[in-house]
Amino acid sequence: EVQLLESGGGLVQPGGPLRLSCVASGFTFSSYGLSWVRQVSGKGLEWVSTITGSGGGDTTYYADSVKGRFTISRDNSKNTVYLWMNSLRAEDSAVYYCARILNYGGNRYFFDYWGQGTLVTVSS
Amino acid sequence: EIVLTQSPGTLSLSPGERATLSCRASQSVSSSYLAWYQQKPGQAPRLLISGASSRATGIPDRFSGSGSGTDFTLTISRLEPEDFAVYYCQQYGSSPPDFGQGTRLEIK
Repeated sequence: EVQLLESGGGLVQPGGPLRLSCVASGFTFSSYGLSWVRQVSGKGLEWVSTITGSGGGDTTYYADSVKGRFTISRDNSKNTVYLWMNSLRAEDSAVYYCARILNYGGNRYFFDYWGQGTLVTVSS
Repeated sequence: EIVLTQSPGTLSLSPGERATLSCRASQSVSSSYLAWYQQKPGQAPRLLISGASSRATGIPDRFSGSGSGTDFTLTISRLEPEDFAVYYCQQYGSSPPDFGQGTRLEIK
């Protein structure tokens, strides 16, 4: 059974850093890409970042809204993907979901399994 | 960037009725690379449909997807109580992989 478990969310001051983690199980981790998708309370879904699997050369992609502030990485030995978030803003407050992707080449994929999410609140 | 517009914003129906949800793209979606997700309150989204019409594993056959180009539809043939939720479409024919704003399906 595919499982994704996020952690690392919490309250952080504007301008501060935070690191999210997503531990995966139930599939060959290195072969799959993973993404972070966020959702502001009561609002829709926003794709944030993706790192491809070994077949895609661990290529990374970012939404324009986070480019230069967020970094995605993976540790295949720990079955874990990370989202390093810097220079956080109030508008980054959201539930952050980790999702596995089925890749159709480049930055084209859909999300077949999702974690339960971790809440990030940026406030002073 | 492709903009997806879902309609209606809210759909009020009764169990047993048929639901038709629309997703319109601002430009043609390559190879019908369109997915649908269901999200219930307090839960993560769940994949229902990919490739515009292929049901994901374990999804009941009362859910069906259709369409191509710029117009796509999710149909739920006979609504069950557990189907009342928010539904999102997502295109993956071009970068970035954007979502529609969602359709809320509520009990009438």
